[in-house]
Amino acid sequence: AQSVTQLGSHVSVSEGALVLLRCNYSSSVPPYLFWYVQYPNQGLQLLLKYTSAATLVKGINGFEAEFKKSETSFHLTKPSAHMSDAAEYFCAVSEGRSGTALIFGKGTTLSVSS
Amino acid sequence: GAVVSQHPSRVICKSGTSVKIECRSLDFQATTMFWYRQFPKQSLMLMATSNEGSKATYEQGVEKDKFLINHASLTLSTLTVTSAHPEDSSFYICSASVTGGRTEAFFGQGTRLTVV
Repeated sequence: AQSVTQLGSHVSVSEGALVLLRCNYSSSVPPYLFWYVQYPNQGLQLLLKYTSAATLVKGINGFEAEFKKSETSFHLTKPSAHMSDAAEYFCAVSEGRSGTALIFGKGTTLSVSS
Repeated sequence: GAVVSQHPSRVICKSGTSVKIECRSLDFQATTMFWYRQFPKQSLMLMATSNEGSKATYEQGVEKDKFLINHASLTLSTLTVTSAHPEDSSFYICSASVTGGRTEAFFGQGTRLTVV
């Protein structure tokens, strides 16, 4: 069975500071990994995904994540936080087969202060 | 990218009534659609997997008679909450998987259901 653990339910940073949101996964098969962002009362927007190609994945809005198999991690980073980055972030894993659902972590709320 | 439209975005209904939520893939065919439920400040919990032309597969603990799922075409899946009760109040989100082996799922905007 697959699972995702997001360390830290709430992360607070200052505007301009580094953003680091942690995600560790468990999977019996090579995983496909995703980061989504959710704003209040809205659906999910894909930030980036890892699908067994390059281990360093660049996404939208300046975010990137690195797949580290040895650490079973897929942490999300952004060099400089912006106020508009404040939202809920979800890490998700799938087996990568068509028709399989994503399994989500519990989410991390990112707060950005001025 | 592909677009999934979910309707309505918000609905308030009386206890005991039924509510239907629609999920449409606008520019692609979705063999599989997924329905999630999200409680406040919590993650998305998979409720069921819906395959076009066949019965939905429900996750453990989800009442299939309460949450009726129909996937009659490759672009439309519906979730009907029957005999709704206040504890059914939640945020429901659908996603659609593109056919042909691709892995990315596209999400609808979500539906905020409030049962009074």
